[in-house]
Amino acid sequence: EVQLVQSGAEVKKPGESLRISCKGSGYSFTSYWISWVRQMPGKGLEWMGRIDPSDSYTNYSPSFQGHVTISADKSISTAYLQWSSLKASDTAMYYCARRDKFDYWGQGTLVTVSS
Amino acid sequence: SYELTQPPSVSVSPGQTARITCSGDALPKKYAYWYQQKSGQAPVLVIYEDSKRPSGIPERFSGSSSGTMATLTISGAQVEDEADYYCYSTDSSGNHRGVFGGGTKLTVL
Repeated sequence: EVQLVQSGAEVKKPGESLRISCKGSGYSFTSYWISWVRQMPGKGLEWMGRIDPSDSYTNYSPSFQGHVTISADKSISTAYLQWSSLKASDTAMYYCARRDKFDYWGQGTLVTVSS
Repeated sequence: SYELTQPPSVSVSPGQTARITCSGDALPKKYAYWYQQKSGQAPVLVIYEDSKRPSGIPERFSGSSSGTMATLTISGAQVEDEADYYCYSTDSSGNHRGVFGGGTKLTVL
């Protein structure tokens, strides 16, 4: 069974760093891209960027380029989304999703940034 | 930046046909994908590559694309189809930059 399992909810202060994860199982992790999608409270879905786990090649949305870093460790079938300095506006639910068609999604990681 | 435009809301009675549109300049050259998101849940793929239906998705869900518009059709909408629906595609820059439409709230009552 294909699964994407994300790390748990996080509460952080502005300026702190954070890395959340997405672990794939039930398929060959290096065969398909992993994308990250943001959903701010009460708002729509936003594509942030994606990574090819086989070689860690990345694409970013212009809206997120330079603000987040997407990485992967293929040895443990895990993709990451990372911030070096969080802002209150980063408060959102973050999803990972598989392949170009997003056929499987993680359960989401709620990130709350508040002083 | 590239945008996909959806109507904010669509409302139908149970058993009626719901149509949700998605317009974008690159859609003649790029596939459209559709996702259903119910309150508090992760999105679910309902249509991929304009018109293909994943296994497990009811036959009442169908998709089409013509010119700069893609359409999700729910034939005989059920109360359980009430959800937010998002289209997704990529721009034509060659850099594979994805974009979601703003979402459409489907009300079935």
